[in-house]
Amino acid sequence: DARVTQTPRHKVTEMGQEVTMRCQPILGHNTVFWYRQTMMQGLELLAYFRNRAPLDDSGMPKDRFSAEMPDATLATLKIQPSEPRDSAVYFCASGFPLGGGINEQFFGPGTRLTVL
Amino acid sequence: RKEVEQDPGPFNVPEGATVAFNCTYSNSASQSFFWYRQDCRKEPKLLMSVYSSGNEDGRFTAQLNRASQYISLLIRDSKLSDSATYLCVVNVYGQNFVFGPGTRLSVLP
Repeated sequence: DARVTQTPRHKVTEMGQEVTMRCQPILGHNTVFWYRQTMMQGLELLAYFRNRAPLDDSGMPKDRFSAEMPDATLATLKIQPSEPRDSAVYFCASGFPLGGGINEQFFGPGTRLTVL
Repeated sequence: RKEVEQDPGPFNVPEGATVAFNCTYSNSASQSFFWYRQDCRKEPKLLMSVYSSGNEDGRFTAQLNRASQYISLLIRDSKLSDSATYLCVVNVYGQNFVFGPGTRLSVLP
């Protein structure tokens, strides 16, 4: 049963600390998305990659957030330094383009981040 | 104005009721449309894609009106297990997916 995995599932940290979240996309999927979800803002796209290259990271605060794909099986999202307003659920999703678009994104279970 | 807007909800309906969700989008270049379902404290999952001719999957019917930039989802004979948040999603090929804020549904016994 192929699925997207994310670690850690929960993270509590103090303001100013570095946070690293990891995602393993479904094998064979070449597009990876990072989203953030809060009650106030809903689901927001932070960045997405195709074939490991960043295509759009305009939704990401550049001064503190960074996203990378060191290889096809791992995507990372880092926050440094973290702030209380970064508290949210961070979802990774993967997909494979069909006919110019992606028909379905498969989401991981999310990382619930709390910054104190 | 947000790119994708949905009924604010929540909707509280009895079992067996028919419930309709509405969604509007602002980017006329949008080309693909979806409804996702998200259970409490879980990840979103694809419910169905929305095609120009409209499509049905069991108790669920999706409609698209490109001229009005409007998408709908109809659930017939609602079940307790349909309780979730329903997210409207819009995509322009080569650009990102935009999720609506979601409408929460509670089906009551």
